[in-house]
Amino acid sequence: AQSVTQPDIHITVSEGASLELRCNYSYGATPYLFWYVQSPGQGLQLLLKYFSGDTLVQGIKGFEAEFKRSQSSFNLRKPSVHWSDAAEYFCAVGSLGGTASKLTFGTGTRLQVTL
Amino acid sequence: EPEVTQTPSHQVTQMGQEVILRCVPISNHLYFYWYRQILGQKVEFLVSFYNNEISEKSEIFDDQFSVERPDGSNFTLKIRSTKLEDSAMYFCASTLERPQHFGDGTRLSIL
Repeated sequence: AQSVTQPDIHITVSEGASLELRCNYSYGATPYLFWYVQSPGQGLQLLLKYFSGDTLVQGIKGFEAEFKRSQSSFNLRKPSVHWSDAAEYFCAVGSLGGTASKLTFGTGTRLQVTL
Repeated sequence: EPEVTQTPSHQVTQMGQEVILRCVPISNHLYFYWYRQILGQKVEFLVSFYNNEISEKSEIFDDQFSVERPDGSNFTLKIRSTKLEDSAMYFCASTLERPQHFGDGTRLSIL
């Protein structure tokens, strides 16, 4: 069964500092990987996705993520965090088994940004 | 940009009552999903729906739950007899291929 681990429940960074949020997945084949962001009271907004090809993917709002098969990781990064980035971030994995396949989410990492 | 819309944003219901959560997926999408998020916990898959039938469902999606696409635009989740533990945020999602696009959710509070 597919699973996702986000080891950091809560991270605090200063505005302007760099950010890396960790995500490890478990899946038997090449997965589809996603990062979503959830602001308070809001839905899930897609930041970026990895299906195949280049292992470094660019997303919206200046975020990027790197797929490392050897480490089963898909960490999210941003070189300079803005106060508006404070939110909850979810890593998710989807299977190759058909377009209708479900997403399995991690428990999320809450990002706090200090000014 | 097209969005998935969910109504109502907040639903308060007495335990044992039926509740219907409504979603309007993006118009050209073919695959539809419901997920839920209990407060402070992760987002969990409930059910996927394609070609007017359930494609996959989780162990959470028991006989108290049902889904329907009554017309060409709406996608509904019905909970027949709500329990306290059904209190959660329920998200609808849709896709044409990948990725899934999510609505803002309906917060369901069971009293």
